[in-house]
Amino acid sequence: QSALTQPPSVSGSPGQSVTISCTGTSSDVGSYNSVSWYQQPPDTAPKLIIHEVSHRPSGVPDRFSGSKSGNTASLTISGLQAEDEADYYCSSYTSSTTWVFGGGTKVTVL
Amino acid sequence: QLQLRESGPGLVQPSETLSVTCTVSGDSINSSDCYWGWIRQPPGKGLEWIGSIYYTGSTFYNPTLKSRVTISADTSKNQFSLKLSSVTAADTAVYYCARPLTRNGSYKYWGQGTLVTVSS
Repeated sequence: QSALTQPPSVSGSPGQSVTISCTGTSSDVGSYNSVSWYQQPPDTAPKLIIHEVSHRPSGVPDRFSGSKSGNTASLTISGLQAEDEADYYCSSYTSSTTWVFGGGTKVTVL
Repeated sequence: QLQLRESGPGLVQPSETLSVTCTVSGDSINSSDCYWGWIRQPPGKGLEWIGSIYYTGSTFYNPTLKSRVTISADTSKNQFSLKLSSVTAADTAVYYCARPLTRNGSYKYWGQGTLVTVSS
């Protein structure tokens, strides 16, 4: 199975908004609402911040929002803060009853 | 409070079998209606889903690893394990175990990960 496609990096100044795209196929992102986003600061385990396209687990700030259109999902971080600097990964359920991750996007706060 | 802890050998010889175990506390793998998962991350690279297991033994595997992977569960010890055969340097990674938020959904709970290096 092929990894989902994410931009290698995005950046923004504090207070700005950044959006990360995650492009899959009709066999994964396009067919299921089981799209997730994970945040991973250096040397730590990933943390689930969005599940089922747009749902935030308890404790995740509402600055993080998710959406999907066709085969592409997106994560938007509004009001960017220094603590948001991390790697972000998307993930999707697939028609093969497996999960696939994106290659990851490094978010830099300028 | 749910906790997952991976344990592994640290170093494995090329061509041998890598074995990592996840010990679960604060939850029971045979009463949780969910598929417990394994994910790995090579140094400096992205996440790769390896596979998952239901306590009954039902498994799903990444097609690219399926021929070399076996995931099993020991409900008496509240553990589940990963075996990866015929390893090469490309299998060097941090191996994470995780529990999904729902039955076979996104991974909400993660272990701290264990680094396994394949080298002679």
